[in-house]
Amino acid sequence: VQLVESGGGVVRPGGSLRLSCAASEFQFDDYAMHWVRQVPGKGLEWVSLISGDGDKTYYSDSVKGRFTISRDNRKNSLYLQMNSLRSEDTAFYYCAKDIDSGSYSFESWGQGTLVTVSS
Amino acid sequence: DIVMTQSPLSLPVTPGEPASISCRSSQSLLHSNGYNYLDWYLRKPGQSPHLLIYLGSRRASGVPDRFSGSGSGTDFTLKISRVEAEDVGIYYCMQGLQTPITFGQGTRLEIK
Repeated sequence: VQLVESGGGVVRPGGSLRLSCAASEFQFDDYAMHWVRQVPGKGLEWVSLISGDGDKTYYSDSVKGRFTISRDNRKNSLYLQMNSLRSEDTAFYYCAKDIDSGSYSFESWGQGTLVTVSS
Repeated sequence: DIVMTQSPLSLPVTPGEPASISCRSSQSLLHSNGYNYLDWYLRKPGQSPHLLIYLGSRRASGVPDRFSGSGSGTDFTLKISRVEAEDVGIYYCMQGLQTPITFGQGTRLEIK
């Protein structure tokens, strides 16, 4: 399994950013995918989840209404559109592959991409 | 939301000695199918987190058998039978029963 995130960078408060995650070496559309973030020096926070077919999406309360998760199964890619960014969104963002065990479990993780929201 | 609480938050261990981390959830993680929807993850320094244990007690692929998970309902434990230097990092429990998926605060394991 390979997961490679991109799209991180520095953005001003109120700005937007789109993260991408390129997946390979597994049947992408068979698995739900997640975004998880970690503020440097802090704990892990789940951000969002999308089902394998893209029909179902879920969000943490902290990003609901501002972030949108999507996927393109033809391109084996996962996305996170982040709008109205706040300083508290500054974090490393990881895409993660679900294990498909019935529960939500993050079987594989990317290397992460850093988003910095600062004026 | 389900609140996950870990203890201790810091765990100094001598190599070769056992170690144990506790995790408690604010609601039962026991699904009607008999499985506990509780995972353990390790974030080693400079690396992405990786899965150690899922469904309460199942070791993920490639995880050494010195790691074991136990517990049911609201109380869970991760045990390392003999700590090695490569086990340093921050351990997190996580509930996968419902969204929002939630993590414990993390337990930092360090070598004495």
